[in-house]
Amino acid sequence: KAGVTQTPRYLIKTRGQQVTLSCSPISGHRSVSWYQQTPGQGLQFLFEYFSETQRNKGNFPGRFSGRQFSNSRSEMNVSTLELGDSALYLCASRPGTSGSNEQFFGPGTRLTVL
Amino acid sequence: DAKTTQPTSMDCAEGRAANLPCNHSTISGNEYVYWYRQIHSQGPQYIIHGLKNNETNEMASLIITEDRKSSTLILPHATLRDTAVYYCIVSPDPGGTSYGKLTFGQGTILTVHP
Repeated sequence: KAGVTQTPRYLIKTRGQQVTLSCSPISGHRSVSWYQQTPGQGLQFLFEYFSETQRNKGNFPGRFSGRQFSNSRSEMNVSTLELGDSALYLCASRPGTSGSNEQFFGPGTRLTVL
Repeated sequence: DAKTTQPTSMDCAEGRAANLPCNHSTISGNEYVYWYRQIHSQGPQYIIHGLKNNETNEMASLIITEDRKSSTLILPHATLRDTAVYYCIVSPDPGGTSYGKLTFGQGTILTVHP
């Protein structure tokens, strides 16, 4: 079974631009979560989607948004980029919203904001 | 979510057991203890989880104290490839709305030496 895939792997943007990152979960997994990792703040939860609905949201400004499609693929969008948005963005999938909280992480998208 | 406390770093000789401690004194009755690790520049990887009984799988063993206020992850025969940051996470109550969220602390940097 293929693992979680994220595209693109690397991205360079400038302040004020917006960016869209994509995540394809493991086949059959319906829950997708997004995390931001920075050297200063570590790994922080952004949001979780299940069946195209946002179920949970972390403490991030409204510039950070996401969505999930009927095939469980998910995208996250960051608008009006700031230098502090430079980070590794990770997505993780799991089968559903009950049972184990074992999450399968993708390799991440490295975003650099100049 | 219950807070966890882990040592910042630990060393281990290759072939020896690595014992990584974690304190989670405010854990509540239905919360599980999860362990993940993150090898440099990769997404986190699930290792093991447990509620109150000791658990073992092909990667590691998890020992949870009877009062559930602390636990130890044991890698029985550490190899150089086990060098990583290890995160101890208390997972929200499976019935709660924040179930899909993983709250990562700073983790323990385990370095396995030849």
